[in-house]
Amino acid sequence: AQKVTQAQTEISVVEKEDVTLDCVYETRDTTYYLFWYKQPPSGELVFLIRRNSFDEQNEISGRYSWNFQKSTSSFNFTITASQVVDSAVYFCALYNGGSQGNLIFGKGTKLSVKP
Amino acid sequence: ETGVTQTPRHLVMGMTNKKSLKCEQHLGHNAMYWYKQSAKKPLELMFVYSLEERVENNSVPSRFSPECPNSSHLFLHLHTLQPEDSALYLCASSQARFGSLSGANVLTFGAGSRLTVL
Repeated sequence: AQKVTQAQTEISVVEKEDVTLDCVYETRDTTYYLFWYKQPPSGELVFLIRRNSFDEQNEISGRYSWNFQKSTSSFNFTITASQVVDSAVYFCALYNGGSQGNLIFGKGTKLSVKP
Repeated sequence: ETGVTQTPRHLVMGMTNKKSLKCEQHLGHNAMYWYKQSAKKPLELMFVYSLEERVENNSVPSRFSPECPNSSHLFLHLHTLQPEDSALYLCASSQARFGSLSGANVLTFGAGSRLTVL
């Protein structure tokens, strides 16, 4: 079975704090993609990153960084020096193509960054 | 106009009404999707059209009826809905055909249509 678990339902931090959003996934496939999306109050999901299963190199994009560890089936997302504009719901997702071809989403983590 | 556009953004309807949600993408993508987002539940895939052909229907009740007249437009026709159908309905598109693991399967989402069924 394929599954994505985001154990943190809500996180609240004060501006400038660092925050890590956890994502644990389950799949039996060796080839798959992992994603993070951001959903601000306006509603649309905004793509943040895609990582394929053969690339375990961590990625940094400005204040955002991602830690992919196949050994623990985790793909965690860290925001450094958080800002109020980072307040949103963040979704981790798994995609394996094939006959399923469905993007499996976690339930999301609501991040509130207070000034 | 770019991206994925959904109309209306908000819709309130009675259980006996018939209404439609519209989605339009201007990205030249080959696949379009309807997702349902309910409170405290993961996003649920409802329908997928790949190259204008429906390829996925995750056992969605027949009171939801999709239509994809061309590669840029997707509709969700609603009739005799139930209050539990109240949710945010998100449309998305992707460059890659549904089911391909080409790496081009990033979904671009619209802002959603917030549906309330009374």
